[in-house]
Amino acid sequence: SQQGEEDPQALSIQEGENATMNCSYKTSINNLQWYRQNSGRGLVHLILIRSNEREKHSGRLRVTLDTSKKSSSLLITASRAADTASYFCVPSNQAGTALIFGKGTTLSVSS
Amino acid sequence: GAVVSQHPSRVICKSGTSVKIECRSLDFQATTMFWYRQFPKQSLMLMATSNEGSKATYEQGVEKDKFLINHASLTLSTLTVTSAHPEDSSFYICSANTRLYGYTFGSGTRLTVV
Repeated sequence: SQQGEEDPQALSIQEGENATMNCSYKTSINNLQWYRQNSGRGLVHLILIRSNEREKHSGRLRVTLDTSKKSSSLLITASRAADTASYFCVPSNQAGTALIFGKGTTLSVSS
Repeated sequence: GAVVSQHPSRVICKSGTSVKIECRSLDFQATTMFWYRQFPKQSLMLMATSNEGSKATYEQGVEKDKFLINHASLTLSTLTVTSAHPEDSSFYICSANTRLYGYTFGSGTRLTVV
């Protein structure tokens, strides 16, 4: 698997605002996943989007995928303090192999 | 869904001692388990891939004699940090993959070596 590159590295917003995180990758993929990690805790799987999908929603989360640009975005609407965490995008082109993590985006939501 | 139970969640050990971390797949069989390490404010770094019944595959720069991985059954993989030193203090996390549920992560182990 390959590593995604998240941008920005850090994002600070107020509660209620939307947060957008971007991800770029280098080679073709089968799917791309977004994970969240609260400080010092385990990983939470948020969304998996397949290469033939362009957009996917889950609650307040919206993920887009543009395979022509090799990029993805994660939008969190109406953010809450509990959304404060690090977010990682993980592209994958080979099922069953280890996921490789980039540096992630650290999101801080203040109330 | 698939659950990976990781223990202990926190451990403090003295320098020079060994620590074992366990990851169990509770409701599925994991032929492969991935082990990661995460230093503060850094990303997860893949350490090794453990395969049931065979030797683990270590990533470049990871000492296999220091980080012993055993995957003796389809539901249990262990990582033993031998002769631990303060620089081994880190967050260790395991992951398994299933066709049905995708990737599942343990809750992680915070190791502090004093």
